[in-house]
Amino acid sequence: AAGVIQSPRHLIKEKRETATLKCYPIPRHDTVYWYQQGPGQDPQFLISFYEKMQSDKGSIPDRFSAQQFSDYHSELNMSSLELGDSALYFCASSLGRSPLHFGNGTRLTVT
Amino acid sequence: EDQVTQSPEALRLQEGESSSLNCSYTVSGLRGLFWYRQDPGKGPEFLFTLYSAGEEKEKERLKATLTKKESFLHITAPKPEDSATYLCAVPSGGATNKLIFGTGTLLAVQP
Repeated sequence: AAGVIQSPRHLIKEKRETATLKCYPIPRHDTVYWYQQGPGQDPQFLISFYEKMQSDKGSIPDRFSAQQFSDYHSELNMSSLELGDSALYFCASSLGRSPLHFGNGTRLTVT
Repeated sequence: EDQVTQSPEALRLQEGESSSLNCSYTVSGLRGLFWYRQDPGKGPEFLFTLYSAGEEKEKERLKATLTKKESFLHITAPKPEDSATYLCAVPSGGATNKLIFGTGTLLAVQP
């Protein structure tokens, strides 16, 4: 079965640079979520989109923005990167109230 | 404030040695409790959703149960391939899939 696809799998950036993470949800899923998981920590909700509109917002820094496009893929844009942004970034998708299905994440390392 | 607490933080079992993981939650109006399995460097994999006290669900060697204050994940006769971090999560803020995760239980099953 098709799963959530994230790219890139790994990304290394320097402080103050920008990064763009991409997410392709499971076909026909209408909602996309972004989570951040720091080393040894549980995933933290960042933001979600339903039918291409932002539906909820969590602890997402102002330096980050996200959007969902007409083909339902989503991008998380991160600017002025800081060392503390180093983490695994997961995208997940769902159809309606069905459980979340997560991708395998993008590991961002900021040096 | 909605909160999820898991115990123990880590658990080492011998193959075939059954045990239980605990997830305690504090949430206003439970709209489901989710169990996920996470392997290193990968996204959480959905296991179960429980909605009401007394509900039980099973999958292979795993059985999840729910009371009004906590959930248990029972592992019967585990195998080394059951080694992973097990996360529980509850929806927060009125959204079905804006999840608050516990910090997980790292399970190691030794042959």
